[in-house]
Amino acid sequence: DAGVIQSPRHEVTEMGQEVTLRCKPISGHNSLFWYRQTMMRGLELLIYFNNNVPIDDSGMPEDRFSAKMPNASFSTLKIQPSEPRDSAVYFCASSFGGLMNTEAFFGQGTRLTVV
Amino acid sequence: ELKVEQNPLFLSMQEGKNYTIYCNYSTTSDRLYWYRQDPGKSLESLFVLLSNGAVKQEGRLMASLDTKARLSTLHITAAVHDLSATYFCAVDMRGTYKYIFGTGTRLKVLA
Repeated sequence: DAGVIQSPRHEVTEMGQEVTLRCKPISGHNSLFWYRQTMMRGLELLIYFNNNVPIDDSGMPEDRFSAKMPNASFSTLKIQPSEPRDSAVYFCASSFGGLMNTEAFFGQGTRLTVV
Repeated sequence: ELKVEQNPLFLSMQEGKNYTIYCNYSTTSDRLYWYRQDPGKSLESLFVLLSNGAVKQEGRLMASLDTKARLSTLHITAAVHDLSATYFCAVDMRGTYKYIFGTGTRLKVLA
């Protein structure tokens, strides 16, 4: 398996623009997580899905952030409109959630810069 | 709310020395994970600890879990420069599949 695949790897956008980050989890995994990493706040869990259903989105910072998982092999995180304080590295991770829960496997991340 | 704390946050040590990183968490969990992150890179899974008393070792790193104390340790033996990285512990809340990460420990091993 190629692992968790995220795109794009880097994104530079202007304040006010819409940004969409994409993630393909590992095949067979049924839990998917979006994290944001910054120097100031460390790794923050934004939202996680189980069996394509959003279970907990309490970490989503504002209504400008939204996430979807239309099927088991694809998820998006959208920021609209983007602001400079959204600049961070966004990681997607997947795991097999169940009685024999596995560790989360991470994608390479998307480095977002909002200018 | 589940909180996961690590200490120290920063650690600078000489090659050949031993040291321990601590991970404390605030709620019941039976599973704890250790990750490594190199600068500008993603997180790589190191250890999965699935029960009280679990101990895992890989090379110069050894991780253990005490669920009663809600404490995990990552012990470094005879550190080498290649171990320089940031180490994270993560806990998943019992009954959920939600992984919460600690603050991270930035380790620098000096030659």
